[in-house]
Amino acid sequence: DAKTTQPTSMDCAEGRAANLPCNHSTISGNEYVYWYRQIHSQGPQYIIHGLKNNETNEMASLIITEDRKSSTLILPHATLRDTAVYYCIVRVLYNQGGKLIFGQGTELSVKP
Amino acid sequence: GAVVSQHPSRVICKSGTSVKIECRSLDFQATTMFWYRQFPKQSLMLMATSNEGSKATYEQGVEKDKFLINHASLTLSTLTVTSAHPEDSSFYICSATGTGNTIYFGEGSWLTVV
Repeated sequence: DAKTTQPTSMDCAEGRAANLPCNHSTISGNEYVYWYRQIHSQGPQYIIHGLKNNETNEMASLIITEDRKSSTLILPHATLRDTAVYYCIVRVLYNQGGKLIFGQGTELSVKP
Repeated sequence: GAVVSQHPSRVICKSGTSVKIECRSLDFQATTMFWYRQFPKQSLMLMATSNEGSKATYEQGVEKDKFLINHASLTLSTLTVTSAHPEDSSFYICSATGTGNTIYFGEGSWLTVV
């Protein structure tokens, strides 16, 4: 599986957009980009995933560069409850194995 | 999203005993389930992948005789920690996926071995 690189920590003001970057320069053509977050002492929560097009859902937007070597997760209006560790993971298609290998993630602190 | 439930959420056991953790997919059929462990202030470490009706595939360094995984049905997988020791105390998390491309996680189970 390709490795990802994320900043260790980030701060964001409440109500502002949180932009979390991720580098995955060795991503393969059959690997998706997944984002999960983990609030302290809970299981990870699925946020969004994409292959090469930008994606948006009720939680966030995912912007993937044209060369697919990096991506950005955008939380449009961060709240205090968005404080968590955010994991960017690349994963092969399900029918080719599909396991999620977690890196260290970005610890996002949303401040009032 | 889909719901994955773990039980128990917290368990304390004596050193040398075995403890079983259950992972259920409540509203979908989980063809594949994954087990992770997480130590404080660390990331999740994948322990094994299990496909329904097959033997689990363990990650390098994970003792298959110590961490017994059973995935006998499309909605249930169990992790049994055998002959538990204090160093096995950890947060154990399962996840599951069905025919879609998304993996959903359970709430996690805290194991304390005393």
